[in-house]
Amino acid sequence: QKEVEQDPGPLSVPEGAIVSLNCTYSNSAFQYFMWYRQYSRKGPELLMYTYSSGNKEDGRFTAQVDKSSKYISLFIRDSQPSDSATYLCALASNTGNQFYFGTGTSLTVIP
Amino acid sequence: DVKVTQSSRYLVKRTGEKVFLECVQDMDHENMFWYRQDPGLGLRLIYFSYDVKMKEKGDIPEGYSVSREKKERFSLILESASTNQTSMYLCASQELGGYNEQFFGPGTRLTVL
Repeated sequence: QKEVEQDPGPLSVPEGAIVSLNCTYSNSAFQYFMWYRQYSRKGPELLMYTYSSGNKEDGRFTAQVDKSSKYISLFIRDSQPSDSATYLCALASNTGNQFYFGTGTSLTVIP
Repeated sequence: DVKVTQSSRYLVKRTGEKVFLECVQDMDHENMFWYRQDPGLGLRLIYFSYDVKMKEKGDIPEGYSVSREKKERFSLILESASTNQTSMYLCASQELGGYNEQFFGPGTRLTVL
């Protein structure tokens, strides 16, 4: 069983839609939950991270962690064409050094 | 801003060649990582290093070696390239201690013919 499972998509939505991206994981030792965004032909960049459970909001982006279900989500409100990218979830334990990545979900926002 | 640079964006090599991929970071980070990224498999850790001359195997080290002679530079070596090593290779750096963001370079797309 993989440490982290992520639906690869691809996901295609109209501009302005609400997007939901999800990952599940198996290791209860994970404490840091991250979302990276990767534009075509670029390296991944950290979008946001959450420590332990709960929600975190940053502009149009909301990250949710449900540790009881081992389920994390990223919501994008009012999606824009510039949000078109691959989104990777990443998890780390308390030591924080080694990250475990999902396979990434490819998102296209159509104008 | 942290900057991680990789020596080549695109590289084409032949089977059996020795291949060097270089990564340089300018933020004095202790930790450096090499990943490969393949469709459907995501990012998989090949090797990482916590200090100069120090290395640890990741999840898929077979067929690869690394070198870290200076703190800012981390090299990935394919001793004898094979077609199944055709992939996107990503380098990352991270400050030591607890949780810290990993900063990625732009990647090297390696094709082995």
